[in-house]
Amino acid sequence: NAGVMQNPRHLVRRRGQEARLRCSPMKGHSHVYWYRQLPEEGLKFMVYLQKENIIDESGMPKERFSAEFPKEGPSILRIQQVVRGDSAAYFCASSPPNRGDGYTFGSGTRLTVV
Amino acid sequence: AQKITQTQPGMFVQEKEAVTLDCTYDTSDQSYGLFWYKQPSSGEMIFLIYQGSYDEQNATEGRYSLNFQKARKSANLVISASQLGDSAMYFCAMRLQGGAGGTSYGKLTFGQGTILTVHP
Repeated sequence: NAGVMQNPRHLVRRRGQEARLRCSPMKGHSHVYWYRQLPEEGLKFMVYLQKENIIDESGMPKERFSAEFPKEGPSILRIQQVVRGDSAAYFCASSPPNRGDGYTFGSGTRLTVV
Repeated sequence: AQKITQTQPGMFVQEKEAVTLDCTYDTSDQSYGLFWYKQPSSGEMIFLIYQGSYDEQNATEGRYSLNFQKARKSANLVISASQLGDSAMYFCAMRLQGGAGGTSYGKLTFGQGTILTVHP
C-alpha cells in the first residue's frame, strides 16, 4: 500500500518559468492538501481539494498559484512565473473521508528558483 | 481561527532520558484533533501520535505519549528513553472537526516547531 507520492523530489526553475508539482494520494484517500514550508519555519496550509473540487483555498496566494485534483490522475500544484521567494518545500498530504486521524504526508518537493 | 504555540525553539536531552515538548493551542471549537509530527534532517514529515478532543485517555504510541490537558489547552509530547535517532524537528498541529456529527475535516494548523537534540 503505497503512501502519498510526490514528484519530483527536487525541482529547479529559473525566474519566470512555471513549476508543476504532482501528488498522488494514498489509496482510499479522496482528500488532498497542499502545504508550503519556508526555511526554518513550520508548514503553512495552502489549499484543500477533493476530486474535481476546491474545498478551501484560503492559504493560496492570489496570483500565480493554482491547484487541481482531476477525476483521473494526480493533484497538481502549479506556480506560474516563479520568483526567488517561491523557493520552499511543498508538501502534499491526503486523508480518507470521515476520519479525524488519518492524515499522511508525502516526502515533499523542494523547489529552488535560481 | 485556531492557533498552535510551541514555545521551545530548541531542546536538549541525554540519551535514554525522557523529554517533554510543549504545545498549547487556542480554539473555540469543541471538536478537534491534535497531531505530532517529526521532521528529520532528510525533510519528510513522519506522523507520531494523534489525540481527539473527546478521547478520555491520553494517546500512546510506543515511546511516544501525549499529555493532553483539555482545560489548559495543552498537548505536550513525551518521548521516553530518548535515542540518538530522535534528534529532529518536532511539530504540533491541530485539525478542526465540523459538519453534521463532526464528520467534516479540514486543514492542519502547525506550530513553529521545536528542534530536539539528543546527546550521547
